[in-house]
Amino acid sequence: GQQLNQSPQSMFIQEGEDVSMNCTSSSIFNTWLWYKQDPGEGPVLLIALYKAGELTSNGRLTAQFGITRKDSFLNISASIPSDVGIYFCAGQLYGNKLVFGAGTILRVKS
Amino acid sequence: DGGITQSPKYLFRKEGQNVTLSCEQNLNHDAMYWYRQDPGQGLRLIYYSQIVNDFQKGDIAEGYSVSREKKESFPLTVTSAQKNPTAFYLCASMGILWGYTFGSGTRLTVV
Repeated sequence: GQQLNQSPQSMFIQEGEDVSMNCTSSSIFNTWLWYKQDPGEGPVLLIALYKAGELTSNGRLTAQFGITRKDSFLNISASIPSDVGIYFCAGQLYGNKLVFGAGTILRVKS
Repeated sequence: DGGITQSPKYLFRKEGQNVTLSCEQNLNHDAMYWYRQDPGQGLRLIYYSQIVNDFQKGDIAEGYSVSREKKESFPLTVTSAQKNPTAFYLCASMGILWGYTFGSGTRLTVV
């Protein structure tokens, strides 16, 4: 079946540092999505990407949809303590259920 | 405001009991999903439903059951056949285009 390989599995960084995480797949997706999950809550959508090569920003977050439609990265600039959580990438073929990566656990040292 | 509501937030189950987790949405979404999340782990699909009165097994359906009698509601029953039910359960819905909206989750603990 379809799988997404998300890395790194976890990160422990200093407040103010930039963060980068990525997802790769052997399958092509129409849409890539990035979610953040706070402890004890459901995931919340951060960024959605629709076009190959698309680069999208949302505040301190920047994500790109790979040109082959098989990968994506998420960058967080100048991390702050509230960035703590689990970040999930997800790929979607139009109208179908999402395929999720295993998540990147982000811990920020203040 | 439109959204998806899961209840209860915390649930305790005795050995051998069946328990039902509620998921209600007012987003007019056709598709609904149930995921299980273990500590520090990713999301595993239990069941999903793309229209009323129809549902499909996901990757880990054994020990669970669902119903979809109304568009707004997709309850999940954790049966006594599920040997390791302690986990965080997430419900999600999807509209016509893209992406899921998630509920805030139910944490189930076996006591």
